[in-house]
Amino acid sequence: QVQLVESGGGVVQPGRSLRLSCAASGFTFSSSGLHWVRQAPGKGLEWVAVISYDGSKKYYADSVKGRFTISRDNSKNTVYLQMNSLRTEDTALYYCARDRGRWLQYLDYWGQGTLVTVSS
Amino acid sequence: EIVMTQSPLSLAVTPGEPASISCRSSQSLLQSNGHKYLHWYLQRPGQSPQLLFYLSSNRASGVPDRFSASGSGTHFTLQISRVEAEDVGLYYCMQTLQTPLTFGGGTKVEIK
Repeated sequence: QVQLVESGGGVVQPGRSLRLSCAASGFTFSSSGLHWVRQAPGKGLEWVAVISYDGSKKYYADSVKGRFTISRDNSKNTVYLQMNSLRTEDTALYYCARDRGRWLQYLDYWGQGTLVTVSS
Repeated sequence: EIVMTQSPLSLAVTPGEPASISCRSSQSLLQSNGHKYLHWYLQRPGQSPQLLFYLSSNRASGVPDRFSASGSGTHFTLQISRVEAEDVGLYYCMQTLQTPLTFGGGTKVEIK
């Protein structure tokens, strides 16, 4: 069965960096796009970034563009989110989600999330 | 950016009664391939979102048939024919036609 397990969250000061990981199993990793979606405490879902199946295409929400970088290692079945220059408004539960296709179909499986708290 | 607007914000439903959630997009979600890139998710309390419907009206695996979904290019509807206790949670629509991908604000469904 499809599994997505996020890790790397924690408490970090504003301006610092953090790298999230999402380890995948149960499907052909190299055939699927992957997304990061976040949810601030008590708020709705906000899409953050997407990477295509081969890593050749990446897009970001305006709120994180220039600060966050999505990447993937198909040999390790893992997708990453490098978060730099963190702000208090980046505090959220970060979900990794699989795209049903190679690029922008729909998100069909989600992980349990990893919590990022940006606070001084 | 495509803006997704859901209504109502919340609804309280008596078990066994129907419920309906609306989602409108600021532009058509119909792609040239004939598919509408609108999807529905349910986030139960304390859980991750789960896919209910994809490409407007295709029921995801395991979703009970009391749920149905439909839509035109810009107006979409999720319906529950007979609400059960397990249906409580936040319902979101989402478009994947173009980046940035966007979600509706969510509709909270509670049991009366």
